[in-house]
Amino acid sequence: EVQLVESGGGLVQPGRSLRLSCAASGFTFDDYAMHWVRQAPGKGLEWVSSISWNSGSIGYADSVRGRFTISRDNAKNSLYLQMNSLRAEDMALYYCAKGKSSSRIQVFDYWGQGTLVTVSS
Amino acid sequence: QSALTQPASVSGSPGQSITISCTGTSSDVGYYNYVSWYQQHPGKAPKLMIYEVSYRPSGVSNRFSGSKSGNTASLTISGLQAEDEADYYCSSYTSSSSLVFGGGTKLTVL
Repeated sequence: EVQLVESGGGLVQPGRSLRLSCAASGFTFDDYAMHWVRQAPGKGLEWVSSISWNSGSIGYADSVRGRFTISRDNAKNSLYLQMNSLRAEDMALYYCAKGKSSSRIQVFDYWGQGTLVTVSS
Repeated sequence: QSALTQPASVSGSPGQSITISCTGTSSDVGYYNYVSWYQQHPGKAPKLMIYEVSYRPSGVSNRFSGSKSGNTASLTISGLQAEDEADYYCSSYTSSSSLVFGGGTKLTVL
């Protein structure tokens, strides 16, 4: 059974940093691209970032490019999102999602339950 | 990249069919066959229902089908059931190698 468990969310002040983690199990992690998608309270889905199976291809939404960094550790079956210079508009539930293929074309066939990031002073 | 356009809400009675549209541009929906649809129940994570315009993942009911014409993709749900009541989001790969979602459609089963 595929499981994705996010952690690292919490309350952070504007301008500060936070690192999200996603622990994956139930599939061969290094065969698939991985992704982060967020959802602000009461709002729709927003793609944040994607990373191919071997970290060779990485993409970011314009809204986070230059502030967020996605990475993965295939030996630890883990995905990460380093978020710097956080803004109020980054406040959202952050989902880790498994890609349907090894490329970073974004089709998400499994999702975690999300970790909540609150940005407030 | 602007969000794809979906109707805010649709409704139907049990047993009926409904269609949700998703309109983009020639740089996303119209260019690639990488349109997906996700179902999200309140308080739950989204679930993949359709990918690459018309393919159903294993385990998804064949009451769900997808299609595309030009810059508009569509999700059709036939034989509407109470459990289908949820929010539905479309998404498309774009020419800038990013992904854009639609604003979401709330489906109400009357």
